[in-house]
Amino acid sequence: RKEVEQDPGPFNVPEGATVAFNCTYSNSASQSFFWYRQDCRKEPKLLMSVYSSGNEDGRFTAQLNRASQYISLLIRDSKLSDSATYLCVVNGGADGLTFGKGTHLIIQP
Amino acid sequence: DTGVSQNPRHKITKRGQNVTFRCDPISEHNRLYWYRQTLGQGPEFLTYFQNEAQLEKSRLLSDRFSAERPKGSFSTLEIQRTEQGDSAMYLCASSLGSEGALTYEQYFGPGTRLTVT
Repeated sequence: RKEVEQDPGPFNVPEGATVAFNCTYSNSASQSFFWYRQDCRKEPKLLMSVYSSGNEDGRFTAQLNRASQYISLLIRDSKLSDSATYLCVVNGGADGLTFGKGTHLIIQP
Repeated sequence: DTGVSQNPRHKITKRGQNVTFRCDPISEHNRLYWYRQTLGQGPEFLTYFQNEAQLEKSRLLSDRFSAERPKGSFSTLEIQRTEQGDSAMYLCASSLGSEGALTYEQYFGPGTRLTVT
């Protein structure tokens, strides 16, 4: 079983729609969780950290379910500029992050 | 620009040659990480430093790879006797951190794209 699993997509979504991604992780000792966004041939950029209580940043909402070991990201009122690859990221200690392969999102006008 | 910087941005080399990449982290960050990313994959952890100490190395980091951070500021990643399979984007990231602390958010540089011919 892969450490962090994501549906690679692509998700083709009309502008203005709501889209949700899930990600599952295998290491139950994981303590830190993040969503990163990566544009084509660019570096990953931190989108948001994911907290146990769930957190929201504008149009973006992240949720963590420790019992089921999954993380979700919800994007409301999607914009063309949201088109990117979204990387689910997990860490189990003080070492490097473990990335999923990413979910490719395409927002269509 | 006070973000993470890396150079060179692109490197083309012939198989068997040695290459060295440099990373300059965000100035107040004491942790520095190296990752490798190939097409269609997420970044894979290679190694990290806390200040000048190299605290962890992935099994992906073969004997041909070596990383240093001599003064706890910038870091170099050297690949000796490059192979075609080394072709990838090499990403550096930095963060704050302390012994035993949870992972702080990591910020990535633009990467060095290596092509081995």
